[in-house]
Amino acid sequence: GQQVMQIPQYQHVQEGEDFTTYCNSSTTLSNIQWYKQRPGGHPVFLIQLVKSGEVKKQKRLTFQFGEAKKNSSLHITATQTTDVGTYFCAGRMEAGGTSYGKLTFGQGTILTVHP
Amino acid sequence: GAGVSQSPSNKVTEKGKDVELRCDPISGHTALYWYRQSLGQGLEFLIYFQGNSAPDKSGLPSDRFSAERTGGSVSTLTIQRTQQEDSAVYLCASSLDWTTQYFGPGTRLLVL
Repeated sequence: GQQVMQIPQYQHVQEGEDFTTYCNSSTTLSNIQWYKQRPGGHPVFLIQLVKSGEVKKQKRLTFQFGEAKKNSSLHITATQTTDVGTYFCAGRMEAGGTSYGKLTFGQGTILTVHP
Repeated sequence: GAGVSQSPSNKVTEKGKDVELRCDPISGHTALYWYRQSLGQGLEFLIYFQGNSAPDKSGLPSDRFSAERTGGSVSTLTIQRTQQEDSAVYLCASSLDWTTQYFGPGTRLLVL
């Protein structure tokens, strides 16, 4: 079945440093989503990428979808303590079949930011 | 309107007992998802509903797990004969289309 791998599992940075998490799928994806989960909270949607090679920015966050639609990355510039949490990617298989509605989540990257 | 709600927020049960977890999705959302999250782990897909039907039940860990959705709204996840390894946070999410999933606060289940 479809697998989504995410690395690194943990990342500790000093405030002001950059951070990147990477996501790789075993199969070509229809789209990929990114979520953030604060400690003790539930996942909150950040963004969805659909097109091959797509790049989207949200303030200090930059999201990329690979040309082959099998990998993605999230980059945070100049981290702040408010960025602390777990970042998950979630991939959706290509259209068709009963599993299209299913999102497969990566294991997440836990980000800690030291002030 | 209100977000996704789940009840109970916490459930402690004894091994072997049955439990029912409830999810109230955002009104009008046709898709509903159940996930399981163990401590410090990612989200494990369990099942999703499109309307009242469940196209993909592949994530249910065993036949002790079942879920239903009635009226295209409320969903119940039932775990029969609970085991200690069932202890986790059970998250429900709903979606209007194939984009944003809105998650509820989760039910924290502890099986003693």
